[in-house]
Order: sequence, then C-alpha cells, then structure tokens
Amino acid sequence: DVKVTQSSRYLVKRTGEKVFLECVQDMDHENMFWYRQDPGLGLRLIYFSYDVKMKEKGDIPEGYSVSREKKERFSLILESASTNQTSMYLCASQGANTGELFFGEGSRLTVL
Amino acid sequence: KNQVEQSPQSLIILEGKNCTLQCNYTVSPFSNLRWYKQDTGRGPVSLTIMTFSENTKSNGRYTATLDADTKQSSLHITASQLSDSASYICVVNNAGNMLTFGGGTRLMVKP
Repeated sequence: DVKVTQSSRYLVKRTGEKVFLECVQDMDHENMFWYRQDPGLGLRLIYFSYDVKMKEKGDIPEGYSVSREKKERFSLILESASTNQTSMYLCASQGANTGELFFGEGSRLTVL
Repeated sequence: KNQVEQSPQSLIILEGKNCTLQCNYTVSPFSNLRWYKQDTGRGPVSLTIMTFSENTKSNGRYTATLDADTKQSSLHITASQLSDSASYICVVNNAGNMLTFGGGTRLMVKP
C-alpha cells in the first residue's frame, strides 16, 4: 500500500515562529503537493513539486516555502507563522499512471 | 475558469437510507473525475475514478455516475452506514493534469 507520512498530526506554535511540516512517501512518486484545508473553503493548493529540487507555486503560496531535496520528501516551511495560517495541512503524492492522489493523515497547525 | 461545484454542502440521513451527492464541473478539457472520502481528521482517500467514456462505476455500496455532456457526476450511497459519515470531495483532472477540487459534501449518518 502507498504510504504518505506527515511528521506531526498536531502542532501549536506562536506567531513569528518558523514551522517545518515534513511529508514522506514510499511509492517513488514524482509529483507531490501541499494543500491547506479550511472550513467552507475546501482544499487549496499551496505548492507542488514534480521532481527533486523543482517546485511550483499553487494558488495560495504567500507566506510559505517548500523544499524537495530528495524524491521521497517534500517539506512545507512557514518562515514566520501567523494566526491566519492556523489550518489543516495535507500532503499528497501522485501516481503517474492513474493520476490518483494519495494523501497523508494531515497536520493540524494552530498558531497562537 | 475551471470550477467544481458540489451539492449539497451538508446532508444528514438516517442509517440504512440511500443518498445522492452531486458534482457539477466546468473543467475543460476533461480527463477524469475522482470521488474522495475524507473521514474527520484524516486525509482523503480515493473511492472511484470516472473517465470520459464511463457512465457508471460501482465500489461496494458506492455508485458513481458521469454525464460528460452535461458535465455532471453523482455519487450514490446505498443502505448508508454510520461509517459513511465523512466529507466527500469531487476532484476533476484536466488533460494537463491540473486538479480542480470541489468544496465537498459533509455527510452525517444518524443511527
């Protein structure tokens, strides 16, 4: 079975702190994504990557950056967390043949 | 602009009853459409995929339909169970592998 693992299920951070959210997949997928999910807004794409060291902005990249140093790992970075970044963050990897997204369990971030 | 609209936003049904969730899209060109189930506090999981040539596909008690002419899809759940309580998300993939997400339908099955 495909496994997408997000490092933290729940985090509480203070405004201004730097936050790292890590995501690892074990299916050798090239495409990986970071989304945030908020009530009433659905899933919104922050950044995606289609290869090592490659990254593309999604729909809401402001306040975020990403790192893809290895194929299996895609990290989301909040350089200076703000309260409006309190959200559920979902990582996904994508199979090339079917296009199916495989999601991690999510990381619920609260910024105080 | 590519859009995916789902209805209803929320739905409460009694255990054992059937229900149908709707997904209308304006994504073009169309490649495929997926329905995902997301349990509370978990990541979404794929239920079924519909390609252009497919009208209906079943996965256990879940049956998805696709009308590519009217750009509508539905997800029908038969004999609902408490474990069906979840959000159901419709995702449309265009030919360039760009994904457009619907806002989801929150289904609550009551005993």
